[in-house]
Amino acid sequence: DQQVKQNSPSLSVQEGRISILNCDYTNSMFDYFLWYKKYPAEGPTFLISISSIKDKNEDGRFTVFLNKSAKHLSLHIVPSQPGDSAVYFCAAKRGNSGGYQKVTFGTGTKLQVIP
Amino acid sequence: KAGVTQTPRYLIKTRGQQVTLSCSPISGHRSVSWYQQTPGQGLQFLFEYFSETQRNKGNFPGRFSGRQFSNSRSEMNVSTLELGDSALYLCASSGRAGQETQYFGPGTRLLVL
Repeated sequence: DQQVKQNSPSLSVQEGRISILNCDYTNSMFDYFLWYKKYPAEGPTFLISISSIKDKNEDGRFTVFLNKSAKHLSLHIVPSQPGDSAVYFCAAKRGNSGGYQKVTFGTGTKLQVIP
Repeated sequence: KAGVTQTPRYLIKTRGQQVTLSCSPISGHRSVSWYQQTPGQGLQFLFEYFSETQRNKGNFPGRFSGRQFSNSRSEMNVSTLELGDSALYLCASSGRAGQETQYFGPGTRLLVL
């Protein structure tokens, strides 16, 4: 059961335009959402996150939007740069009974920014 | 600060064998999590260790096990390897269990023949 879904395996965008990566989740108990970026032969690196009590978080060119009623979040990259070409993973966290949080990742979206 | 290191980087095994992967977290980090990445499945959580104790476990069979040492280094063991265990195994560390930001190592690429 894939609780975090990234339905677009790939996305191509022209340099300078907006990239929008989408993520849907099914578990309403998730209380924290994250985006990671992964280059080939490297581990994922943390990009941006958002708490479930917010609907928007912005960090430079990166903005994450959360729509709790739709169980949907999106990552906007403006303007897109060739160096943004990577695989982007959406992740969600929820607490367990011991207070420790378990992270669930999506399957990733490969973004290609065309110069 | 040195990042998360994982050894070995690449490994080839045959079905039925066992394998041990190692992860050294960032200095001062006490939480280590393990993930399996396969095409089409994304990153799947295996387990998290904090202060030598397993704090969280994913939905993997008992063939997958791990441990953490007093210096926070962690090992993951897979026994009786199956072809489907071929994957990239990623280790991530954070300062405390459940901390939002995890720092990932480069992974160990395991191929089971």
